[in-house]
Amino acid sequence: DQQVKQNSPSLSVQEGRISILNCDYTNSMFDYFLWYKKYPAEGPTFLISISSIKDKNEDGRFTVFLNKSAKHLSLHIVPSQPGDSAVYFCAAGRRWAGGTSYGKLTFGQGTILTVHP
Amino acid sequence: SAVISQKPSRDICQRGTSLTIQCQVDSQVTMMFWYRQQPGQSLTLIATANQGSEATYESGFVIDKFPISRPNLTFSTLTVSNMSPEDSSIYLCSVEDRTTEAFFGQGTRLTVV
Repeated sequence: DQQVKQNSPSLSVQEGRISILNCDYTNSMFDYFLWYKKYPAEGPTFLISISSIKDKNEDGRFTVFLNKSAKHLSLHIVPSQPGDSAVYFCAAGRRWAGGTSYGKLTFGQGTILTVHP
Repeated sequence: SAVISQKPSRDICQRGTSLTIQCQVDSQVTMMFWYRQQPGQSLTLIATANQGSEATYESGFVIDKFPISRPNLTFSTLTVSNMSPEDSSIYLCSVEDRTTEAFFGQGTRLTVV
């Protein structure tokens, strides 16, 4: 049972344009969502996160939108740059009672983003 | 944020042997996790490494195959035992710091021949 899904295995975008990466989840217990970027031969690098109490979080060129009713989130990159070319993973987790735990995550399959000059 | 050092970065091993992967963090962290990324697949959580007690394994993963140690708050090891070609994957250590999101080591690329 794939609880976190990224249905687009790849995305190709022109430099300067917007990249939109999508993610769907099925487990309504998830209340924290993250995006990671991964280059070959490196571990995933944290990009941006959003709590279920928000519907938008912005950090520079990166914005994550959360639609809880649709169990859908998206990552917008504006403007896209060639250095953004990588695999992007969506991840979801739960806060533990009495604290937080971001480490026990369920990941999507990843989307390969290619930004052309 | 903490710096994670994972060793080895890659290895090629014979089937039937075992490999121990080390994860060293430059500061004390509460939680440490081990993930696997099989070729073309997503990251899958193997287990939570608990300091001073037995690791907590996810469904489909067992201690006999993936024994884990966590002797202190900065170090953990994952052993892949009695390896077969199906164990060829990238193995990743992840840590949680209560002040930030989970972050990852650079991974260990294992090939079993």
